[in-house]
Amino acid sequence: DTGVSQDPRHKITKRGQNVTFRCDPISEHNRLYWYRQTLGQGPEFLTYFQNEAQLEKSRLLSDRFSAERPKGSFSTLEIQRTEQGDSAMYLCASSLEGRGTDTQYFGPGTRLTVL
Amino acid sequence: GDSVTQMEGPVTLSEEAFLTINCTYTATGYPSLFWYVQYPGEGLQLLLKATKADDKGSNKGFEATYRKETTSFHLEKGSVQVSDSAVYFCARGTLTGANSKLTFGKGITLSVRP
Repeated sequence: DTGVSQDPRHKITKRGQNVTFRCDPISEHNRLYWYRQTLGQGPEFLTYFQNEAQLEKSRLLSDRFSAERPKGSFSTLEIQRTEQGDSAMYLCASSLEGRGTDTQYFGPGTRLTVL
Repeated sequence: GDSVTQMEGPVTLSEEAFLTINCTYTATGYPSLFWYVQYPGEGLQLLLKATKADDKGSNKGFEATYRKETTSFHLEKGSVQVSDSAVYFCARGTLTGANSKLTFGKGITLSVRP
């Protein structure tokens, strides 16, 4: 069990560019979550997947944001036409549902800076 | 909607002092409750959790009791160490048992001086 991994750890981009982040959950975890954390705040929920199905999206997830989990394993989060307000830490978490275990395990995050 | 309120920080204590960090949540259903900790330069780690009323979660000397009557989940430790310096987040799940998302408080920074 190597834990949740995220790539890249840091991303600096210019306003208007597209960025994509990757998350690899703990193997066999069927639920995967994306959160966003800004300075001085707690993480805010963006979306989650059960296997490959995206089951819930927050209103924070504008149409510039898209997330996928094509084979029910790793996930990608893409932000199109980035804005300075998108600068934040993007966190991924995974959990194993269906066996009474609902604890979410978090990755180290991807810090996005939009110039 | 669902929300979690944590006491304002930061908190600075001397080593071996008693710690209490307050957390209250909105009483929508019967959510699981969690404390996560973020050490400097590291990701969020689960510290402890409780899944039903009157449950006590405990880990590394920290404890928190699920109080339904006061909708609280205060974190306590009898004797803090310098290594406990970190940011602490209280969180609740959306539904009993199967949590489709977590709602976090703002977090509080704890600094423990030798």
